[in-house]
Amino acid sequence: DQQVKQNSPSLSVQEGRISILNCDYTNSMFDYFLWYKKYPAEGPTFLISISSIKDKNEDGRFTVFLNKSAKHLSLHIVPSQPGDSAVYFCAASRFGNEKLTFGTGTRLTIIP
Amino acid sequence: GAGVSQSPSNKVTEKGKDVELRCDPISGHTALYWYRQSLGQGLEFLIYFQGNSAPDKSGLPSDRFSAERTGGSVSTLTIQRTQQEDSAVYLCASNLNRGTEAFFGQGTRLTVV
Repeated sequence: DQQVKQNSPSLSVQEGRISILNCDYTNSMFDYFLWYKKYPAEGPTFLISISSIKDKNEDGRFTVFLNKSAKHLSLHIVPSQPGDSAVYFCAASRFGNEKLTFGTGTRLTIIP
Repeated sequence: GAGVSQSPSNKVTEKGKDVELRCDPISGHTALYWYRQSLGQGLEFLIYFQGNSAPDKSGLPSDRFSAERTGGSVSTLTIQRTQQEDSAVYLCASNLNRGTEAFFGQGTRLTVV
């Protein structure tokens, strides 16, 4: 049962344009969401998070949007840079169960 | 060290042998997680520790897998009688408390031949 889904395994975006990565979840009890970036042969690194009491969180070039009614979140990267090429994972957790449930990841490629 | 440290970074073992993977979390982090990533797959949850206890071990794939944590710090993941399907990158993460991001180590790449 895949509770966190990233339906696009890959995405290519021109440098300077906006990258939009999507994530859907099925468990309405999730109340904390995170995005991680992973380069080959490295562990995932935290990017940005959002609590369910918010619908938007911004940090520099990265913005996460949360639509609770649709059980959908997205990560916007603008402008996209070559160093953003990596695999992006979304993750979710719920109060009382601290484990992070991850999606399967989206490989983002920024084209120079 | 400042980050989550895992050892070894690479391990090649023969099918049927036991292996131990080690994780040193960030000092003071009470929560510790083990995940694995098989080739072409996402991050699969294995077990979560809060202090030395494991409130959630639901992700351990079989009774060949076990983990312990001592002193609220170092954790060891043990795989007995390894099988080829155990080949994966095993990742450890820690965080201070709920609502904060988890920091990952670089992982241990396990290859069972």
